[in-house]
Amino acid sequence: VQLVQSGAEVQKPGESLRISCKTSGYSFTSYWITWVRQMPGKGLEWMGRIDPANSDTNYSPSFQGHVTISADKSITTAYLQWSSLRASDTAMYYCARERGSSGHDYFDFWGQGALVTVSS
Amino acid sequence: VIWVTQSPSLLSASTGDRVTISCRMSQGISTYLAWYQQKPGKAPELLIYAASTLQSGVPSRFSGSGSGTDFTLTISCLQSEDFASYYCQQYHSFPYSFGQGTKLEMK
Repeated sequence: VQLVQSGAEVQKPGESLRISCKTSGYSFTSYWITWVRQMPGKGLEWMGRIDPANSDTNYSPSFQGHVTISADKSITTAYLQWSSLRASDTAMYYCARERGSSGHDYFDFWGQGALVTVSS
Repeated sequence: VIWVTQSPSLLSASTGDRVTISCRMSQGISTYLAWYQQKPGKAPELLIYAASTLQSGVPSRFSGSGSGTDFTLTISCLQSEDFASYYCQQYHSFPYSFGQGTKLEMK
């Protein structure tokens, strides 16, 4: 099982961005993918998740409306995107595979993280 | 929303010590709790799920216990590679939530 994330990004406030999480080594449509934020020097925050089989999503209220999670089954890749970045979006973002039972999932494999820096 | 209170935020210990980290939930979560270890500059790694089940490959010096609202992670005999940050996570209900983290440092 591998989750490989796209590289570091430097963007300006107001710009759009999409980062990716390329998976391999397992059946992509059999496990939800989750996204976790870690701001500099801070703890982990759960952002939301997607079922790659049908693109169903759940979002944390803290992130709902500000980010969009999507997936492309044909290339076993999940995405996290912003339409208008803020300086406060500066953080490391991790994707992770969920395991467990529907709606009760922990995260067994993680991507290496993607650092997003938003600065004018 | 389930609030997770993790303590302590900083723990100083020596190799060979036994240490415990606690998490308290704002409401009962049965045993839907996981523990993760994160080393500087690295992604978190799963240690324990279902409150007490060791993930494959995790050394047996790690153990977890608890149910309902109170949980603990115990490291029975600290090794040098265990100095890291630790997070609990509840997956009972949305939004999933993490504790604030515990940094385990060398005394």
